[in-house]
Amino acid sequence: AQSVAQPEDQVNVAEGNPLTVKCTYSVSGNPYLFWYVQYPNRGLQFLLKYITGDNLVKGSYGFEAEFNKSQTSFHLKKPSALVSDSALYFCAVRDLGRGGGADGLTFGKGTHLIIQP
Amino acid sequence: DTEVTQTPKHLVMGMTNKKSLKCEQHMGHRAMYWYKQKAKKPPELMFVYSYEKLSINESVPSRFSPECPNSSLLNLHLHALQPEDSALYLCASSQGTGGETQYFGPGTRLLVL
Repeated sequence: AQSVAQPEDQVNVAEGNPLTVKCTYSVSGNPYLFWYVQYPNRGLQFLLKYITGDNLVKGSYGFEAEFNKSQTSFHLKKPSALVSDSALYFCAVRDLGRGGGADGLTFGKGTHLIIQP
Repeated sequence: DTEVTQTPKHLVMGMTNKKSLKCEQHMGHRAMYWYKQKAKKPPELMFVYSYEKLSINESVPSRFSPECPNSSLLNLHLHALQPEDSALYLCASSQGTGGETQYFGPGTRLLVL
């Protein structure tokens, strides 16, 4: 089964500092990996994805993620954090061809990112 | 435009009620999804529709009944729910079935009394 793990429940970063939110994956075959952000009482907003190609993926709001096959990781990064980046971040992996059609996503437990002014 | 809309935003229902959640997208997406998210937990897949046909049912109890009347609309019919079914119900859609990005709606916050 496809799975992702987010080892940190919470990450605290000072505004203006770089941030990293960690994600590792366990998959059969090539991984389809995603990052989403969720603000309180809201749905999920797509940030970026890796399917194939360059290992460094650039996404929305200045976020990027680095796919590392040898370490089975897909960490989310941003060079300079903003207070408005404070939210709940989910790493997700595409489930693998179970339905004969579209596949769902399996999410990590989520990481609370807190940016301190 | 990557908007998925969901109504209602909030719903309170008793255990004997019948209600429906509605999800709509006008992006021409051919796959639509229902997820359930309990408080402080990640979303969990419930159902997947591909080209208006149910392709995945994640062993969801029959008190949840999905329906896809057309390619833009997805419903979730609720009947005889339990208090533990209280959660945020998220709808998503994607362009096709090949691992494209899923775009989520804002969700319906359901409280079962």
